[in-house]
Amino acid sequence: EIVLTQSPGTLSLSPGERATLSCRPSQTVNSNYLAWYQQKPGQAPRLLIYSATGRATGIPDRFSGSESGTDFTLTISRLEPEDFAVYYCQHYGSSPFTFGQGTKLEIK
Amino acid sequence: QITLQESGPTLVKPTQTLTLTCTFSGFSLSTSGVGVGWIRQPPGKALEWLAVIYWNDDRSYNPSLKGKLTITKDTSRNQVALTMTNVDPVDTGTYYCAHRRIQIWRGVFDIWGRGTRVTVSS
Repeated sequence: EIVLTQSPGTLSLSPGERATLSCRPSQTVNSNYLAWYQQKPGQAPRLLIYSATGRATGIPDRFSGSESGTDFTLTISRLEPEDFAVYYCQHYGSSPFTFGQGTKLEIK
Repeated sequence: QITLQESGPTLVKPTQTLTLTCTFSGFSLSTSGVGVGWIRQPPGKALEWLAVIYWNDDRSYNPSLKGKLTITKDTSRNQVALTMTNVDPVDTGTYYCAHRRIQIWRGVFDIWGRGTRVTVSS
């Protein structure tokens, strides 16, 4: 089973700042099968990024995904008030389709 | 437009069997490449993938829960059911179903239902 470790656990930033969230797999993950989700309180997760770098339909271009070596990164270029939420990475190439433990992005 | 909606009991007793239903629209589980999965989330905790079933009746389960879960589909009614046996208070949480299609974005779980809350307590 692939374990995804997200860091930091909590990120405190202000609107307008840049956010960088990390997802590190315990073994090699094919970047074609790495996703990022946003979850707000009381809501279902919303797909942001698929295949490590692809933006899902309707997702603003301030959200971007990248890969560097074995690590994956979600970047939010300029935080908007509605971006403060919990973010999860997930690999979905082979079962079990594990999730990271999440990064909480909170207003500083 | 694809939508999914979860339903089931809100309260179950320990050791009982829990059955949840996902009713969907906007796609068919008889279409090649389509799958429906279940994911759960204990209160205040992370997401945990549970199971998935595909158009061809292939199924896959989280190994940590294998033996406890059964996923089935009723293509004619556009429903997927998840049965969990011998539930425990640790199974308390929100249960989501989600759509995937292998040919779309490498089969990411792209559309999710709003979730159904389940409490396991005596």
